[in-house]
Amino acid sequence: DAGITQSPRHKVTETGTPVTLRCHQTENHRYMYWYRQDPGHGLRLIHYSYGVKDTDKGEVSDGYSVSRSKTEDFLLTLESATSSQTSVYFCAISSGNEQFFGPGTRLTVL
Amino acid sequence: GESVGLHLPTLSVQEGDNSIINCAYSNSASDYFIWYKQESGKGPQFIIDIRSNMDKRQGQRVTVLLNKTVKHLSLQIAATQPGDSAVYFCAVARWTGNQFYFGTGTSLTVIP
Repeated sequence: DAGITQSPRHKVTETGTPVTLRCHQTENHRYMYWYRQDPGHGLRLIHYSYGVKDTDKGEVSDGYSVSRSKTEDFLLTLESATSSQTSVYFCAISSGNEQFFGPGTRLTVL
Repeated sequence: GESVGLHLPTLSVQEGDNSIINCAYSNSASDYFIWYKQESGKGPQFIIDIRSNMDKRQGQRVTVLLNKTVKHLSLQIAATQPGDSAVYFCAVARWTGNQFYFGTGTSLTVIP
């Protein structure tokens, strides 16, 4: 998985609770991305980062926030989880064009 | 933006046969294309990429063909093996951009 880890790998939470997912890389890549994957949809970009403290919104950013205080860590936060945010979340890294993906986090919001 | 579609959601092939998975995109400004393989419970894994200045690129048992005129690309897998069973995605991007757009995936099943 190209030096990318995600934590937790699985999480079950209740509607209205805050949730933070962590992506950690050991590759020192500049770009980091958060995607969600749902049946019937391709991977959809939530947010991405192009450097420490530099982030931008993706296609499906509503209800999500991100932070990147260090090159190696990119955090995705659901401030108040909803059932529509039940999904598999993938982190990816890139130094240019090719993206490498983490193993994914399966999040269930009850 | 960009819209990416795969022609078939599922594909079954006999072991040893060749597989062809197709993808269509909408934005003629897109100039970088990637195929990924995703096995159950894992993240997508890079297979092969191609830039728009090429129309064909070959890897080990895989070939990607790009037709910019009709905005279509395909992934060909030669002598398909059981280990090739997975979901295959195409991704489309601008070489100078930061955003990738993904198709929904074709699930390939190899029949022994």
